[in-house]
Amino acid sequence: AQRVTQPEKLLSVFKGAPVELKCNYSYSGSPELFWYVQYSRQRLQLLLRHISRESIKGFTADLNKGETSFHLKKPFAQEEDSAMYYCALSYYGSSNTGKLIFGQGTTLQVKP
Amino acid sequence: NAGVTQTPKFQVLKTGQSMTLQCAQDMNHEYMSWYRQDPGMGLRLIHYSVGAGITDQGEVPNGYNVSRSTTEDFPLRLLSAAPSQTSVYFCASTTPGNSPLHFGNGTRLTVT
Repeated sequence: AQRVTQPEKLLSVFKGAPVELKCNYSYSGSPELFWYVQYSRQRLQLLLRHISRESIKGFTADLNKGETSFHLKKPFAQEEDSAMYYCALSYYGSSNTGKLIFGQGTTLQVKP
Repeated sequence: NAGVTQTPKFQVLKTGQSMTLQCAQDMNHEYMSWYRQDPGMGLRLIHYSVGAGITDQGEVPNGYNVSRSTTEDFPLRLLSAAPSQTSVYFCASTTPGNSPLHFGNGTRLTVT
């Protein structure tokens, strides 16, 4: 079965420290993976996707098919990074329908 | 542009009552979907639609009905509310090609 696992409910770091939000997935084909973010009082929005291989707000995420992981990383956390982060996977065979499987979410708390 | 608009923002229902959560988008997106967000469980897909007149079930469809008579609107109906339906509901829309989901602000529903 397709599944996305985010093992940490809460990740608390100090400003300037490195951040790694973990995401593991189970999927039988070629996955399409995303990170979505929800800042306080804002709507859920796309942060980045693996096919773009881009860096957004200093965050990067590399797809590791061997470890079935898509961890989100940032070398130096900022207070404005505090938010809820969701890892998400496209349903098999549904790349064009916007159907996603979401992980449980990780709250990132960046302390001053 | 307003994007994806959900109403109401908050709702309290008694067990057995019915109601409709409204969702409208002004981006001419073909695909629309409904998710519920529960602590520790992330977002789970309830129903989705790939165009007017076409709907299908997601991961947790029981207790919910949808219809899509226009491209813009995708209401979610609770026919007989149950406490297990207490949740935050998000509507999302997107275009073909695995584009990002655009989310509404959510509806927080409490069933007593």
